[in-house]
Amino acid sequence: EIVVTQSPGTLSLSPGERATLSCRASQSLSSSYLAWYQQKPGQAPRLLIYGASNRATGIPDRFSGSGSGTDFTLTISRLEPEDFAVYYCQQYGRSPSWTFGQGTKVEIK
Amino acid sequence: QVQLVESGGGVVQPGRSLRLSCAASGFIFGDYGMTWVRQAPGKGLEWVALISSDGRNTYYADSLKGRFTISRDNSKNTLYLQVNSLRAEDTALYYCAKRSLWNFDSWGQGTLVTVSS
Repeated sequence: EIVVTQSPGTLSLSPGERATLSCRASQSLSSSYLAWYQQKPGQAPRLLIYGASNRATGIPDRFSGSGSGTDFTLTISRLEPEDFAVYYCQQYGRSPSWTFGQGTKVEIK
Repeated sequence: QVQLVESGGGVVQPGRSLRLSCAASGFIFGDYGMTWVRQAPGKGLEWVALISSDGRNTYYADSLKGRFTISRDNSKNTLYLQVNSLRAEDTALYYCAKRSLWNFDSWGQGTLVTVSS
């Protein structure tokens, strides 16, 4: 079973700053199988990025995803007030099965 | 637009059973795989189970096999999750979501299950 580990656990930044979130898989996986979600307090998760680098419908272009193999990154180029939230990466594995990382909280500094 | 509305949660005693429902609208339900994901209070997301579009194939998280059963009724546009022998650690917000290839592109607001005596 592939394990995904996110870092850091918490990221303290100011609006306008750049956020870089990491997701590392225990085994190499296809980029197609890596997604990112955003979850705000009291809300359901929302798909941000699929296939490692493709923005989902309606997602602003300040969000971008990159990476391959075992290392993937979500970048928010300039943080807006509404971007402070928890972000999860998710991988699809054979069986099939899906695994989420433990999340990275982006908080206001 | 896609709408997913979960129901059936509540406070349940340990050892009892519960069936959660997810009513879908805004898309052709029978064309998509559907899934349940849960989130314990203050914790992260945990994938629970997935069912294929026609209901013939079901998949479960290894740690949860045996007590959970996912099913669907395409004539009613409804997804179900049967949970037996409930434990305190099953306390969570249970989300249903629509599958899009290797991820989940639409989510409901969740239904809260609290297991407590």
